[in-house]
Amino acid sequence: QVSLQESGPRLVKPSETLSLTCIVSGGSITSYWWSWIRQPAGQGLEWIGRIYSTGNTNYNPSLKSRVTMSVDTSKDQISLKLSAVTAADTAVYYCARGGGVHHYWGQGTLVTVSS
Amino acid sequence: DIVLTQSPDTLSLSPGERATLSCRASQSISGSFLAWYQHKPGQTPRLLIYGASNRATGIPDRFSGSGSGTDFTLTIGRLEPEDFAVYYCHHYGSPPFTFGQGTRLAIK
Repeated sequence: QVSLQESGPRLVKPSETLSLTCIVSGGSITSYWWSWIRQPAGQGLEWIGRIYSTGNTNYNPSLKSRVTMSVDTSKDQISLKLSAVTAADTAVYYCARGGGVHHYWGQGTLVTVSS
Repeated sequence: DIVLTQSPDTLSLSPGERATLSCRASQSISGSFLAWYQHKPGQTPRLLIYGASNRATGIPDRFSGSGSGTDFTLTIGRLEPEDFAVYYCHHYGSPPFTFGQGTRLAIK
């Protein structure tokens, strides 16, 4: 059974960089798209972007200037970096397998931006 | 970018009733690359429908999806208590992908 687990700092200061890792177990990371999706408190889901196992990426235009995704197939993990964060970036961040159809999701991790 | 508008924002129904949720796209979604997710508080979103009308593995047949182009519908045949949640449509035809704002299905 495929399992995804997000990890990273739960509290980030304004203007700093949010960094999250998603570790994949129970299945190969290769030959799949992997996506990051977030949900601010009380709001809906927002697509952040996706990365293929070879490193090809697509990002949400509204976040593109601040987002970097990477993949490490040797460690079966994908990573998300979001720079210059503000309070508006406070959200539950999910990783999910697939570029658009997400059968498998991580449990999500709440990241709070606050000084 | 394709904007997805869901209606209604909130739908209040009783168990046993039929639910019809709408998702309208600002432009045609090629290939019917439209999915529906169910999301309950504190839980992971659950894929219900992909390709506009294909049920995901393990999804009960009371859930059905239909539509093409710019208009899509999720129908829940007879509501069970566990069906009350927020439902999102999601297009994945060509990036950037987007989600609808969600429809909250509430117990009447």
